[in-house]
Amino acid sequence: GIQVEQSPPDLILQEGANSTLRCNFSDSVNNLQWFHQNPWGQLINLFYIPSGTKQNGRLSATTVATERYSLLYISSSQTTDTGVYFCAVWEGGANNLFFGTGTRLTVIP
Amino acid sequence: KAGVTQTPRYLIKTRGQQVTLSCSPISGHRSVSWYQQTPGQGLQFLFEYFSETQRNKGNFPGRFSGRQFSNSRSEMNVSTLELGDSALYLCASSIRDVANYGYTFGSGTRLTVV
Repeated sequence: GIQVEQSPPDLILQEGANSTLRCNFSDSVNNLQWFHQNPWGQLINLFYIPSGTKQNGRLSATTVATERYSLLYISSSQTTDTGVYFCAVWEGGANNLFFGTGTRLTVIP
Repeated sequence: KAGVTQTPRYLIKTRGQQVTLSCSPISGHRSVSWYQQTPGQGLQFLFEYFSETQRNKGNFPGRFSGRQFSNSRSEMNVSTLELGDSALYLCASSIRDVANYGYTFGSGTRLTVV
């Protein structure tokens, strides 16, 4: 199946700092989503972004499908941003989402 | 509108028992998928149902099964539980297909096998 790699694996930020999370994938994809898993386990959909750039408040994402990567930007981080961020890609052959291993973000006050 | 609802939130079972988990998708969503999340293996796809038919299946043993009802609600069943089945089980729904519409996840059921 398709390989999905995320970096960095762990990230600790001071509240108010900015960060960039990266997702590389090994093959062409039709769909890419970013999720935030909060400390209680809930996976929250942040972006559905097979290509291009989207913004939602302090978060934005860019996917460059031709170069097989996506970036998630978090600006002015808050303690509520703490959790694990996953990117997931849909591969047509397998017909399901493949998840990366995640970036564990901790925002300290 | 209501999100994806999973019940129960927590379960403790003994090895060898069986368990049934339930998932109610967002109203109007016809595709329901199940994922297993463990610290060692991460998020792994179990299966997907659409209009009461299993449309896709991951690489899990036959002890893991599921079904979908006419109202799109889905259940998954694990028989002969093993310690390694301890995990967070997540259900996700989509309007039609994940490729074009993406997923919305429920809060999960945390299963502990002792």
